[in-house]
Amino acid sequence: RKEVEQDPGPFNVPEGATVAFNCTYSNSASQSFFWYRQDCRKEPKLLMSVYSSGNEDGRFTAQLNRASQYISLLIRDSKLSDSATYLCVVQLINTPLVFGKGTRLSVIA
Amino acid sequence: GAVVSQHPSRVICKSGTSVKIECRSLDFQATTMFWYRQFPKQSLMLMATSNEGSKATYEQGVEKDKFLINHASLTLSTLTVTSAHPEDSSFYICSARGPAGGLGQYFGPGTRLTVT
Repeated sequence: RKEVEQDPGPFNVPEGATVAFNCTYSNSASQSFFWYRQDCRKEPKLLMSVYSSGNEDGRFTAQLNRASQYISLLIRDSKLSDSATYLCVVQLINTPLVFGKGTRLSVIA
Repeated sequence: GAVVSQHPSRVICKSGTSVKIECRSLDFQATTMFWYRQFPKQSLMLMATSNEGSKATYEQGVEKDKFLINHASLTLSTLTVTSAHPEDSSFYICSARGPAGGLGQYFGPGTRLTVT
């Protein structure tokens, strides 16, 4: 079983739509959780950290369920500029990040 | 935020030659840097963890004699791909833990290596 599994997509949605991505992780000792965004042929950039209580940053909402080892990202009111690959990332204490394969999102006008 | 640079951004080399990639933390000291490789439509795979002043720690399956890592200062780590082959063509990305042990890692812009 892969350490971090994501729905590969692609998700093709119209502008203004709400879209949700899911992710599961296998190591219950994982301590830190993130969503990164990666544009084509570019490096990943931190979108947001994910906290147990859930957190929101503008149109983006992240949720963590430790019992189910499940992480989600919700994007509301999608913009064309949201088109990218979204990477689910987990980390144990003081260890390198472990990346999922990513979910590709295309927002269409 | 913390800035990490990489050089070169793109390199094309002939099979059998060696290529050096530099990774620098520009506005903070990074005792630990990480080197990743990403093939098309694949996730980032960690190759090695580079520690300032000591030997790098390589992930299983990564040849340490082929991918030489040097972390000579708190702001510079280098990855040398020795005797490169076409199958080494990939996107190589370095990252550094943020300053003061902050969460997450900051990534360099990546180096696209093409071996012909």
